[in-house]
Amino acid sequence: QVQLTESGPGLVHPSETLSLTCTVSGFSLTGYSVYWVRQPSGKGLEWMGRMRYNGDTSYNSALKSRLSISRDTSKNQVFLKMNSLQTDDTGTYYCTRGGRFDYWGQGVMVTVSS
Amino acid sequence: DIQMTQSPSSMSASLGDRVTITCQASQDIGNNLIWFQQKPGKSPRPMIYYATNLANGVPSRFSGSRSGSDYSLTISSLESEDMADYHCLQYKQYPLTFGSGTKLEIK
Repeated sequence: QVQLTESGPGLVHPSETLSLTCTVSGFSLTGYSVYWVRQPSGKGLEWMGRMRYNGDTSYNSALKSRLSISRDTSKNQVFLKMNSLQTDDTGTYYCTRGGRFDYWGQGVMVTVSS
Repeated sequence: DIQMTQSPSSMSASLGDRVTITCQASQDIGNNLIWFQQKPGKSPRPMIYYATNLANGVPSRFSGSRSGSDYSLTISSLESEDMADYHCLQYKQYPLTFGSGTKLEIK
């Protein structure tokens, strides 16, 4: 069955780089896009960017200068890297399968704090 | 970028009430809109696709409609399990953009 699982550090210090991994199963990264969505605590959802099935990427305009999304199709993994983290980057980070947004990971909570 | 203005930000309603949540798009998005339900500590669940199409397994008391650039999610008769946050998402144009969310509480 289709599954997505996010992993990464729970705590990141201000100005450091966040690295998250989305490991997928039940579908191929060359057949479906994967999106990253985040949610600051107690706030709404924010689309961050996508890894398209053909390897292309798109990014949220507000995050583009800090954000990079890549993948390793042999490991069924999509990676998110975002630099210069600040406290307002604290929140839950999700990956979701593109298209119908019908499959999501459970989310990973990231706290930015010194 | 397309802005999605969602209202209200929060609301409280009684069981059995008819509830409507709205998103207004700043540009033409056609019917390229999804409504999500999100319960505390859970990932979002798509409820309505293409502005008006009910997702599989979603109760028929939920419906979606469009009037020009205004998109609505309606619950015809509120049930306790509907207490959640609701979000709209436009996927007409990248970057994709969500509304700011609506917190629905039961009186």
